[in-house]
Amino acid sequence: SYELTQPPSVSVSPGQTARITCSGDALPKQYGYWYQQKPGQAPVLVIYKDTERPSGIPERFSGSTSGTTVTLTITGAQAEDEADYYCQSADSSSAYGVFGGGTRLTVL
Amino acid sequence: EVQLVQSGAEVKKPGESLKISCQGSGYSFVDYWIGWVRQMPGKGLEWMGIIYPRDSDTKYSPSFQGQVTISADKSISTAYLQWSSLKASDTAMYYCASQSSSGVFSLDFWGQGTLVTVSS
Repeated sequence: SYELTQPPSVSVSPGQTARITCSGDALPKQYGYWYQQKPGQAPVLVIYKDTERPSGIPERFSGSTSGTTVTLTITGAQAEDEADYYCQSADSSSAYGVFGGGTRLTVL
Repeated sequence: EVQLVQSGAEVKKPGESLKISCQGSGYSFVDYWIGWVRQMPGKGLEWMGIIYPRDSDTKYSPSFQGQVTISADKSISTAYLQWSSLKASDTAMYYCASQSSSGVFSLDFWGQGTLVTVSS
């Protein structure tokens, strides 16, 4: 079945820019979504439809897309952004959804 | 305010059946897809399936097709996830999540999670 591929971990210093990529063959046709999950909490949607930011999500979070890759960018990462980040999309025929394996972002 | 309230933690034995629930409020329940996500201990999120309550159209991940049943009761704005015969490997946190206007597969709002433990 369809898979999305993320790096297992990304590490940045506070104030630096963090970029997390997600690759999948159907991404040119399907929207990408990004979720933040902190320990012991339910996930939170931080980017939808590739580039849109829900209300209440800080402006430092942004999304982009190019071909078979979507990217979550955190400009000026803060300690509070340390979390697991998951991309999500759908297969090419919109039959089912799928998550990437997740990326642990470390800010230190 | 959109809220998804899930049923409480469950401890079951292998082979038993189980149905967990997720009640939505603060939005038009029948007009938005609502689904389920599994998170096994220490692991990532897994998309299980979604249902459109207005007509009960359902989409399942191939990994979960035939293993679980997703349903909804429009009259009480509640979605369900059901197993007929649990296995130890079903031990996990299960989240319900609903779409808003962000796309069919978007999971905009999340419940608090239901921990299911299957052990003999």
